Amino acid sequence: DIQLTQSPSFLSASVGDRVTITCRASRGISTYLAWYQLKPGKAPKLLIYAASTLQSGVPSRFTGRGSGTEFTLTISGLQPEDFATYYCQHLNSFPFAFGPGTTVDIK
Amino acid sequence: QVQLQESGPGLVKPSQTLSLTCSVSGASVISEDFYWAWIRQTPVKGLEWIGHIYHSGSTYYNPSLKSRISLSIDTSDNHFSLEVNSVTAADTGVYFCAKVAWYAGYPPYWYFDLWGRGTRVTVSS
Repeated sequence: DIQLTQSPSFLSASVGDRVTITCRASRGISTYLAWYQLKPGKAPKLLIYAASTLQSGVPSRFTGRGSGTEFTLTISGLQPEDFATYYCQHLNSFPFAFGPGTTVDIK
Repeated sequence: QVQLQESGPGLVKPSQTLSLTCSVSGASVISEDFYWAWIRQTPVKGLEWIGHIYHSGSTYYNPSLKSRISLSIDTSDNHFSLEVNSVTAADTGVYFCAKVAWYAGYPPYWYFDLWGRGTRVTVSS
């Protein structure tokens, strides 16, 4: 099975900052990667799929890059509503798996 | 506007069967464009894909859970369901349902484009 790791696990940042989260796969997954935003009590939100395609309605400050085994999610100009936990997910083969998450907190 | 809503018991006794339903509004579960998935978030494993189902009844299950789970789809009532047998404390968590879009590729490109808010399940006697 393909495993995902994320770094950092926790990130403290201020409104307006640019932050980057990295997701690494245990073997190559081409561009079969998605990013999600989770907030307590809310429906998880798809941000990026196919590694770099912005989901409809998601602000352009979210950018996904990468292929193979290394991927990044960058938020350019953090907004108050962006403080949340972010997860990557591979969809290359069954079983699909999620990374352990990165929490972005207010500095 | 498509919406998904999970429902089910908040408390289940060990060794019993957990049954959850996801009601879909604004889209049809018989659409050829979507699959329908279950995901859970547990303290031990974090986010975990459980499986997904197509309107035809074809299913994809997480091998780690396959022996204990069953997905079904009710096209007349526009909902889909999850059963987990022989539950233990390790099955405690928040269970989400999701709509799965896909497009052609080898393998296909999947993405979970809409989720419900989740329903919390506790396994305890």
